[in-house]
Amino acid sequence: AQKITQTQPGMFVQEKEAVTLDCTYDTSDPSYGLFWYKQPSSGEMIFLIYQGSYDQQNATEGRYSLNFQKARKSANLVISASQLGDSAMYFCAMRPNFGNEKLTFGTGTRLTIIP
Amino acid sequence: SAVISQKPSRDICQRGTSLTIQCQVDSQVTMMFWYRQQPGQSLTLIATANQGSEATYESGFVIDKFPISRPNLTFSTLTVSNMSPEDSSIYLCSVGQAQRDTQYFGPGTRLTVL
Repeated sequence: AQKITQTQPGMFVQEKEAVTLDCTYDTSDPSYGLFWYKQPSSGEMIFLIYQGSYDQQNATEGRYSLNFQKARKSANLVISASQLGDSAMYFCAMRPNFGNEKLTFGTGTRLTIIP
Repeated sequence: SAVISQKPSRDICQRGTSLTIQCQVDSQVTMMFWYRQQPGQSLTLIATANQGSEATYESGFVIDKFPISRPNLTFSTLTVSNMSPEDSSIYLCSVGQAQRDTQYFGPGTRLTVL
């Protein structure tokens, strides 16, 4: 079984500052993928970034980077130079790399950017 | 990336009625999933929609309540049957890609049951 833990229910960050959203996971699968999604108030789930468990380097996508520490089973999302439009719910999720591709989600973090 | 559309985008329904939600993808995909997000909660997988066979339901979800069809590799429907206010949620379809480093969601259907 897989489990995702997000311990920050809410965060407030000043505009233009960097923010780190925490995510820890537990799995017995030898190979897996980790995902981050953004969910604005509209309800859509926007894919942000992916990290494979065997990837040597941390993933980056524009202002998003993933701080992957496999030994600690953590996959924190870092948003640089935050913007007002970053205010949303953020979900961490994982999926085994073999078999069914269903995602297991964490409980989410509500990020609010303060002008 | 796959482009996914859902219909309807939102609906308000009466208790005891049923609603069918459609999910259309612009390319053939192997796997399609249906998730539910209750108010203030995270996403929970309802079932995997299998093309040409019965859907695979997660614990706590049954076919009589959430019948699913998948007639081809680009389309699926989820029906929410005999609705109650507890069914008020966002329902999202998701597709698996050949490359494994992405998984996309449709825009969601926001359902309110009175």
